[in-house]
Amino acid sequence: DAKTTQPNSMESNEEEPVHLPCNHSTISGTDYIHWYRQLPSQGPEYVIHGLTSNVNNRMASLAIAEDRKSSTLILHRATLRDAAVYYCIPVRNDMRFGAGTRLTVKP
Amino acid sequence: DVKVTQSSRYLVKRTGEKVFLECVQDMDHENMFWYRQDPGLGLRLIYFSYDVKMKEKGDIPEGYSVSREKKERFSLILESASTNQTSMYLCASKEGNQPQHFGDGTRLSIL
Repeated sequence: DAKTTQPNSMESNEEEPVHLPCNHSTISGTDYIHWYRQLPSQGPEYVIHGLTSNVNNRMASLAIAEDRKSSTLILHRATLRDAAVYYCIPVRNDMRFGAGTRLTVKP
Repeated sequence: DVKVTQSSRYLVKRTGEKVFLECVQDMDHENMFWYRQDPGLGLRLIYFSYDVKMKEKGDIPEGYSVSREKKERFSLILESASTNQTSMYLCASKEGNQPQHFGDGTRLSIL
């Protein structure tokens, strides 16, 4: 079972970068890492995913450690709309979510 | 664009009723999921299915069953609804290593 560990909460100031860490030390070699976020009163939405290499898209960047035991989601300039719960999850058939990190963005 | 549609946004039922929550996806995804979400408890997996007529228990299957007769539809059934099943229910689907897509959720109240 690929368990993940994330901080319960983090704070950021608006317009500053945010680095959200995730430990997934028991991940298997073929499991992709996905990140999702859940805004208040909405279902989770996909943010980014990767396997071994760092990845960028219009929402965020994903840095994956060389040993794949951890990853970091990077929001380059946090906005108030980025306040949400962020989940990292190894991609398997069962897709079990952990508690995630609640990100607060201060103006 | 992938669409996961849950039949109701809000639903109110009575204790002891049999309740059906329906979920349909339009992208021919193999995998479908049912979660419930309660304040402070995050997303908890109830059941998932990786193929038609296949189902697997998640972390909290007690009091629920599922049906997947067609690939696009995954139904969650509360056999005899109880007040502790009042919750937000979320359906999702995915294919392989591609992103999981969620429906808008059904807020179910059992009176």
